[in-house]
Amino acid sequence: NAGVTQTPKFQVLKTGQSMTLQCAQDMNHEYMSWYRQDPGMGLRLIHYSVGAGITDQGEVPNGYNVSRSTTEDFPLRLLSAAPSQTSVYFCASSWGGSPNYGYTFGSGTRLTVV
Amino acid sequence: AQRVTQPEKLLSVFKGAPVELKCNYSYSGSPELFWYVQYSRQRLQLLLRHISRESIKGFTADLNKGETSFHLKKPFAQEEDSAMYYCALFNQAGTALIFGKGTTLSVSS
Repeated sequence: NAGVTQTPKFQVLKTGQSMTLQCAQDMNHEYMSWYRQDPGMGLRLIHYSVGAGITDQGEVPNGYNVSRSTTEDFPLRLLSAAPSQTSVYFCASSWGGSPNYGYTFGSGTRLTVV
Repeated sequence: AQRVTQPEKLLSVFKGAPVELKCNYSYSGSPELFWYVQYSRQRLQLLLRHISRESIKGFTADLNKGETSFHLKKPFAQEEDSAMYYCALFNQAGTALIFGKGTTLSVSS
């Protein structure tokens, strides 16, 4: 049981480049989210999804796009990378919005934009 | 607006000392609160859910609606408790978690 898998683990981008951070889960979870983790800022919600075909913006969505074509996958796209997007990105998934269900997190993608 | 505040960036204690990691929240209605832990360079793990009133690894947390707090406590800290601790809250729609900025707990011998 793989849980939540994020690829790549590390990435260096040049300013202006685009890329997609991959997130896949094999637990049939409906809810998925993307966060960025920055020193002193904690985890900030970028985008989230409550099912295939349904996405919404979180606290810091600018510069990022998402789509959810399948239950398993929730990729995060950086359209034109900027140094301010240097961060550690975490994907998380859950059965739903009940407090009985915790979120399972991936191991993160460490992104550096130069 | 929903918000989670963790006022301490760093909490340093000696092994065997009591620990209290503070968490305050802002929320309209009945909040659903959680504590997550992140050990060095690892993924976040769920530690506690307020609804289950459980004790995990000796940690407990009580929801105090009057003080809008959900502080995490442990009577005797261990060195392996050293980690980053995040308090989190379901957003108003119950569709995602909102996190505080985290508190680093450092336990030394």
